[in-house]
Amino acid sequence: EVQLVQSGAEVKKPGESLKISCKGSGYSFTSYWIGWVRQMPGKGLEWMGLIYLGDSDTRYSPSFQGQVTISADKSISTAYLQWSSLKASDTGMYYCARRSSYDSAIGHWGQGTLVTVSS
Amino acid sequence: EIVMTQSPATLSVSPGERATLSCRASQSVSSNLAWYQQKPGQAPRLLIYGASTRATGIPVRFSGSGSGTEFTLTISSLQSEDFAVYYCQQYNNWPPEWTFGQGTKVEIK
Repeated sequence: EVQLVQSGAEVKKPGESLKISCKGSGYSFTSYWIGWVRQMPGKGLEWMGLIYLGDSDTRYSPSFQGQVTISADKSISTAYLQWSSLKASDTGMYYCARRSSYDSAIGHWGQGTLVTVSS
Repeated sequence: EIVMTQSPATLSVSPGERATLSCRASQSVSSNLAWYQQKPGQAPRLLIYGASTRATGIPVRFSGSGSGTEFTLTISSLQSEDFAVYYCQQYNNWPPEWTFGQGTKVEIK
């Protein structure tokens, strides 16, 4: 069974750094792209970027380029989303996601990581 | 960058009635279009991929149509568990990118 398990909720202050994780299991981790999706409170889904675990090729949405860093450690089947200096506007739920086995639509989602940035 | 626009923002429907949701792409996405359902406190769930193919386990009352820039999700007879927010998404294969619509909330009339 394909599973994406994300790290737990975080509460941070503005200006702090943060790295959240997404661990894949039940499939060949290096054969798929993993994406990150933001959902601000009460708002819709926003694509942030994608990383291919085979060679760490990374693509960012123009809206998030330079704002976050996506990385991965294929030795432990884990993808990461990182901020160097958080803002209050980074508060939201962050999902990792993977395409399905039979189509490029998203067939698998992590449970989400809630990030709260508040002074 | 491809922009996805959904309409309406909110749809008020009575149980048993038909719901029709629209999604428009700013340029052709061929059939690389998916629909997702999201309920409060849950991750989204894939309903339709390839514009018109139901995902595994999705009831037949959900159907998708369209190609290019105009797409439709139809729920033929709304059940209580269908009241949720629905998102369309384009997924370009190369270069890889995703774009979501802003969502349509289907609420009880």
